[in-house]
Amino acid sequence: EDQVTQSPEALRLQEGESSSLNCSYTVSGLRGLFWYRQDPGKGPEFLFTLYSAGEEKEKERLKATLTKKESFLHITAPKPEDSATYLCAVLNNAGNMLTFGGGTRLMVKP
Amino acid sequence: DAGVIQSPRHEVTEMGQEVTLRCKPISGHDYLFWYRQTMMRGLELLIYFNNNVPIDDSGMPEDRFSAKMPNASFSTLKIQPSEPRDSAVYFCATRRGGAWAYNEQFFGPGTRLTVL
Repeated sequence: EDQVTQSPEALRLQEGESSSLNCSYTVSGLRGLFWYRQDPGKGPEFLFTLYSAGEEKEKERLKATLTKKESFLHITAPKPEDSATYLCAVLNNAGNMLTFGGGTRLMVKP
Repeated sequence: DAGVIQSPRHEVTEMGQEVTLRCKPISGHDYLFWYRQTMMRGLELLIYFNNNVPIDDSGMPEDRFSAKMPNASFSTLKIQPSEPRDSAVYFCATRRGGAWAYNEQFFGPGTRLTVL
């Protein structure tokens, strides 16, 4: 059974204080690892897909990296508008179903 | 594109009543997924369709839950009878078919269901 664990559950940062969110996974053949952002009262919004170990993707202040066991979402010089819950999910080779982690709630204070 | 559309956005009902949640997928997307999100269990897949055909319903919690997709533009998730433990936010998500690279799913705004 595929499993995804995200840490920490919650993270408080000061504006400009860089940090990283962790996503550890076990999956039977990784087809892709996905990062989503979810704002309160809204559906998850797609950020990145990573397909193989060593791959990196960037978007504004966010950078996602992937190893064979985990992924990191690095946030550089965050702003209050980066406050949200960040979800990680994996897709295995067997099918089309995503398995989501519990998320990391990020709060950035001005 | 308007994105995935869900209705209603909020639903409050009493235990034992029938509840129907609706979803309009993004045009051209061949896959449709129904999820449930709670604080305790996070985001869970209930069922998904490919080209209007249910493929995997192993996440549907009980026979009280049923889902249909009568055409490419519409899907429903029905709970009959509803119970307080069904209270959650229900999301519909869709994605394109074809090449495996198109695996990212696009989520609707969700329906917040409260069963009293």
